Formats: sequence, structure tokens, C-alpha cells
Amino acid sequence: AQKITQTQPGMFVQEKEAVTLDCTYDTSDQSYGLFWYKQPSSGEMIFLIYQGSYDEQNATEGRYSLNFQKARKSANLVISASQLGDSAMYFCAMRDMNTGFQKLVFGTGTRLLVSP
Amino acid sequence: SAVISQKPSRDICQRGTSLTIQCQVDSQVTMMFWYRQQPGQSLTLIATANQGSEATYESGFVIDKFPISRPNLTFSTLTVSNMSPEDSSIYLCSVVVSSEETQYFGPGTRLLVL
Repeated sequence: AQKITQTQPGMFVQEKEAVTLDCTYDTSDQSYGLFWYKQPSSGEMIFLIYQGSYDEQNATEGRYSLNFQKARKSANLVISASQLGDSAMYFCAMRDMNTGFQKLVFGTGTRLLVSP
Repeated sequence: SAVISQKPSRDICQRGTSLTIQCQVDSQVTMMFWYRQQPGQSLTLIATANQGSEATYESGFVIDKFPISRPNLTFSTLTVSNMSPEDSSIYLCSVVVSSEETQYFGPGTRLLVL
């Protein structure tokens, strides 16, 4: 069974600094996808970044990058130049790419607070 | 990408009643899902909405409590039946676009059951 672990319940960072949110995963599948989502207080789930297990390069999307270390089964999210609007819950998730159901398994989340 | 809308955005309901949540997508999608997020918790998959056939439910969720319809490739409904305060959650519709690997979520429906 797939499992996602986020060990940081909360993180604090000052505006304009970089922050790393940790995510480790467990799967026996060879083909899988890793996702990060942001959930502000409004409740919507905003897709941030995706990394496929066979992608050789780390994914980047603007200020977001995914530090993918396959051997260590980690997929940490790095947010550069933090902004006040980055304060939110962040969820790591994975999906087995071999099955037809495309089910996402989520971690417990990390609450990020960006201070001025 | 896909633009997803959900109705209602929030509601307050009395125990014992039912609420139907609608999910509309602006493009045809291959997969549609319904998730639940209880207060302070992560997301849990309720079921996969299958077009023209019965939904596929995850362990712990049953059709009598959460009937789901998906009459076409862009629309689905989730009904929360015979509600109790434990059903107070955010309910989120999610889709996978056929040409992408990304999974998108709707804005969610905040449900409070008194």
C-alpha cells in the first residue's frame, strides 16, 4: 500500500526567505506520480507541482521546486522567496500510475506561516 | 487544465436531512472523484464517479450514505444522506484531464450539520 508521510505539522518562515517542506513516501510501484497542493483557509486545493517517478529532472514551477530523491523516497517542496500569501496548508500526495483509478493518497499536511 | 465549479459552496443543514452537491467541469475529463476532508484532517477518497454506471466506493463509504451520479463526462453529483454532525466536512470534487497527469480540485463545499 502507498503511504505519504509529512513530519512537519507546522513551519514558520520570514518573508522573502526560502523554505523546504518535507515529504517521504512508501510504495512498491515503479511508476508513480508525486504532487503538492496548497490549501488556503478558503478550503480549495490548489495544484502546485508534479513529479513523475521516471522524470530525471526535478520539477519546477515558478517559485516552487520539487527536490526529488528517488533512492531516499523523498519529494520535498522548496518555496523560494516566500510571500505572505504563501501562508496555508500544504499537502503532499502520490498516485499509482499503473492502475486505472488514478487514486491520490495524501499526507497529513504541513501548515506554513509566513511572517513579515 | 480544467475549471471546476461546485454548488453549493457552503451549507448548514439539520441532522437527518440530505444535501446534493454538484460538480461541473468545463471540459471532458476521464476521471472524476469525490473526496472528504473532515475538520483538521487530510483528504480521504469517497468514491470514483463512473460515467453511466455505479460509482466505485472506497472502504468505509457506501452507496446508501453517499449516492453518486455521473450522467456525462463533465458533471457529477454527490448526495450526503441522512446527515449527522459527523458529516460536517469539506467535500471536494476532483478530476483528471485525459491529456495531462495532473489532478485538479474544485473549490469545495463546506458542510456544517447541526
